[in-house]
Amino acid sequence: DGGITQSPKYLFRKEGQNVTLSCEQNLNHDAMYWYRQDPGQGLRLIYYSQIVNDFQKGDIAEGYSVSREKKESFPLTVTSAQKNPTAFYLCASSRTDEAFFGQGTRLTVV
Amino acid sequence: AQSVTQLDSQVPVFEEAPVELRCNYSSSVSVYLFWYVQYPNQGLQLLLKYLSGSTLVKGINGFEAEFNKSQTSFHLRKPSVHISDTAEYFCAVSLSWGKFQFGAGTQVVVTP
Repeated sequence: DGGITQSPKYLFRKEGQNVTLSCEQNLNHDAMYWYRQDPGQGLRLIYYSQIVNDFQKGDIAEGYSVSREKKESFPLTVTSAQKNPTAFYLCASSRTDEAFFGQGTRLTVV
Repeated sequence: AQSVTQLDSQVPVFEEAPVELRCNYSSSVSVYLFWYVQYPNQGLQLLLKYLSGSTLVKGINGFEAEFNKSQTSFHLRKPSVHISDTAEYFCAVSLSWGKFQFGAGTQVVVTP
């Protein structure tokens, strides 16, 4: 079945460490996105990519980095510069008429 | 620029009562409109979408929405809710190339 796979589902990070969240899709979509979700704040866009080797900052890109070396993959790195990284992270891909979401990664800083 | 406003952050409703979730959008160009549902600790699932044609759109789980171009609205309705409809609901728009903009979400809490 086609879909989006995010891994891991739960992730714990020590303060000061970088961590990378994985997102893979087999839907052959050009566009991919990373969102952050905090209680009561909806979905906030971190980064998005319309095509391989190209990506743009979203509304809250500071402290995050991404790469898009393959169409299927759009990993997100949460760097030590992100001051409040504990959140639920959602990856999505889209075609013109629909967006598809992964099941999310819950990141906790310990 | 496009934006999406969900007018209610939380909607309490009794089981078997009707519910309406309000969504307004602004855009200088034609958009596609969507409603998604999110259950706790999960990703978002598509409920329904409006691309063109009939302004009344029917989706899964008994939900429907009506596109009103003059009022730039896309309100979601269900005539009789179940406990299992307790979730967060997101309205979204997309431009022609597919970039999505989401509203802040509406939490629906269904009580017996």
